[in-house]
Amino acid sequence: SQTIHQWPATLVQPVGSPLSLECTVEGTSNPNLYWYRQAAGRGLQLLFYSVGIGQISSEVPQNLSASRPQDRQFILSSKKLLLSDSGFYLCATEWYNEQFFGPGTRLTVL
Amino acid sequence: GIQVEQSPPDLILQEGANSTLRCNFSDSVNNLQWFHQNPWGQLINLFYIPSGTKQNGRLSATTVATERYSLLYISSSQTTDSGVYFCAVRRSGTYKYIFGTGTRLKVLA
Repeated sequence: SQTIHQWPATLVQPVGSPLSLECTVEGTSNPNLYWYRQAAGRGLQLLFYSVGIGQISSEVPQNLSASRPQDRQFILSSKKLLLSDSGFYLCATEWYNEQFFGPGTRLTVL
Repeated sequence: GIQVEQSPPDLILQEGANSTLRCNFSDSVNNLQWFHQNPWGQLINLFYIPSGTKQNGRLSATTVATERYSLLYISSSQTTDSGVYFCAVRRSGTYKYIFGTGTRLKVLA
């Protein structure tokens, strides 16, 4: 079975600071990878997905970017955080047509 | 794009009661999943059910793809069933999943 790691678990950052969230997957190769954001009390919004190394599809235009430097590593970044970037960020992988989620990172931008 | 609606948005049950959660979607899909998000935020897979019926303990799910809806049944509810239930769908030929807005369930002891 596969395991999804995300870090950090929680993060408090000032407005205008940079961001880097990391997701790594164990137990599978060449997975489809996804980044979602969940605002407080809301549903999940797909931000990015990747079907291979260096292949990134963006679903929502914003100040976030994603990269996939290795097969099982997916990174979410920002050069300058906005207050509206606060939320719960979830990484997911797809295995035999099922999505599985990591534990998430809670980001608060002050 | 495809729309996914879940009902009811909120549900309060007494422990031991049964409930039915519904997920409607606006276009044909080849993938449908149900998730439970616990109070700590972890999303837990319940069912992969693009069509047909499945059961797992006190939970069961039915998807009628031709009529574009899925139902999640919870029987003999327990306080640990509390949280938010999401359905997510994906259309054929795409990698993108669309999530419903969720049903927030609270089970009282």
